[in-house]
Amino acid sequence: SYVLTQPPSVSVAPGQTARITCGGNNIGSKSVHWYQQKPGQAPVLVVYDDSDRPSGIPERFSGSNSGNTATLTISRVEAGDEADYYCQVWDSSSDLYVFGTGTKVTVL
Amino acid sequence: QVQLQESGPGLVKPSQTLSLTCTVSGGSISSGGYYWSWIRQHPGKGLEWIGYIYYSGSTYYNPSLKSRVTISVDTSKNQFSLKLSSVTAADTAVYYCARASCVRDCYSGYYFDYWGQGTLVTVSS
Repeated sequence: SYVLTQPPSVSVAPGQTARITCGGNNIGSKSVHWYQQKPGQAPVLVVYDDSDRPSGIPERFSGSNSGNTATLTISRVEAGDEADYYCQVWDSSSDLYVFGTGTKVTVL
Repeated sequence: QVQLQESGPGLVKPSQTLSLTCTVSGGSISSGGYYWSWIRQHPGKGLEWIGYIYYSGSTYYNPSLKSRVTISVDTSKNQFSLKLSSVTAADTAVYYCARASCVRDCYSGYYFDYWGQGTLVTVSS
């Protein structure tokens, strides 16, 4: 089955830029979506279709996807961005929705 | 603003059937264009897609759970439901219902844009 690999953790100082990667075989050919999950809460969609933002999501959140890696970038990081982040794709070969392993973002 | 709310027992005995219902407000399941999904998260772990249903009743399930899962829809109540049979402790998780919206032309899959708050189901005798 299709596997999405994320770094377990990313640490960033306030005001700096956090980059969270999501690795998968030829992921650049797929549409990647990103979710933010704070403790005890449901996930929230922050980027869909590689780089689009739902309404209400700050422009500080952006995404890119090419080759074997998709990236979620959080610019001008704030304390409120501290959360777990998950990437997600649809694997057409197995008709299965797959989530990444998750990355915990810590704001120093 | 679409809202989803899960309901059902928080404790299920091993070998029994887990049953949950998701009530949708702020939009009609029957309007079409979306799939209505169940996703779970084991304690301290990642997310696992269980399956989804269209308002017409068409269903798609995670192959790893397919033999035990049934998702149904009641458009008159604007609800959809999950049944997971023969549960074990490994099915203990937070269960979320979510709306799935399609990417562009819908040939690139779906993403989950609205989620319920989640409900913890514990399997224990």
